[in-house]
Amino acid sequence: QSVLTQPPSASGTPGQRVTISCSGSSSNIGSNYVYWYQHLPGTAPKLLIYRNNQRPSGVPDRFSGSESGTSASLAISGLRSEDEADYYCSAWHDSLSGPVFGGGTKLTVL
Amino acid sequence: EVQLVQSGAEVKKPGESLKISCEGSGYTFSTYWIGWVRQKPGKGLEWMGSTYPGDFDTRYSPSFEGQVTISAEKSINMAYLQWSSLKASDTAMYYCARRESGNYPFDHWGEGTLVTVSS
Repeated sequence: QSVLTQPPSASGTPGQRVTISCSGSSSNIGSNYVYWYQHLPGTAPKLLIYRNNQRPSGVPDRFSGSESGTSASLAISGLRSEDEADYYCSAWHDSLSGPVFGGGTKLTVL
Repeated sequence: EVQLVQSGAEVKKPGESLKISCEGSGYTFSTYWIGWVRQKPGKGLEWMGSTYPGDFDTRYSPSFEGQVTISAEKSINMAYLQWSSLKASDTAMYYCARRESGNYPFDHWGEGTLVTVSS
């Protein structure tokens, strides 16, 4: 059971906008920044969003992040086939003194 | 370019010891934390612990305290994860990842080391 809660799956057709949610608590999302990763099995997870809504250089602006209270969301607009991957949210957890993760959301592009 | 290069896949028997490695490059190794993250087959990511090569400060998740040892050699930009006695339940992919000081998750990851423990 992951500390952060994500839907196990999401889907959309090319060009659509999809949103992936991430729910936590006052000990993690409620008091710290949220990061999002894109992960293809067998490869290194890739940072998509940091500090709630910032994109590293090279990440398309189709990816955006938001946070409110103890929840966060990742939005992907103009969906492409190459976006098909697992997506994880993460935040620092105060009592653990380390990062916690969501269980991951498998995105399927139909 | 920041890179974290991990050692290759391992196949071990229960009770054997193992040490896997992670080499950092493209940044000042001693000024970032290096953490280890486990992913069991079909499951999500779990933080195991982190070490700060600059002063060797090491923190463990309570779930992994006493089960593994995390260390680093800053002179050669290497971090390690080791087991003294492997169990079948240790079968998983293990990722190393870098994070900056402060309450922040990881920003760069290695490609993972697959550890298979089977008799």
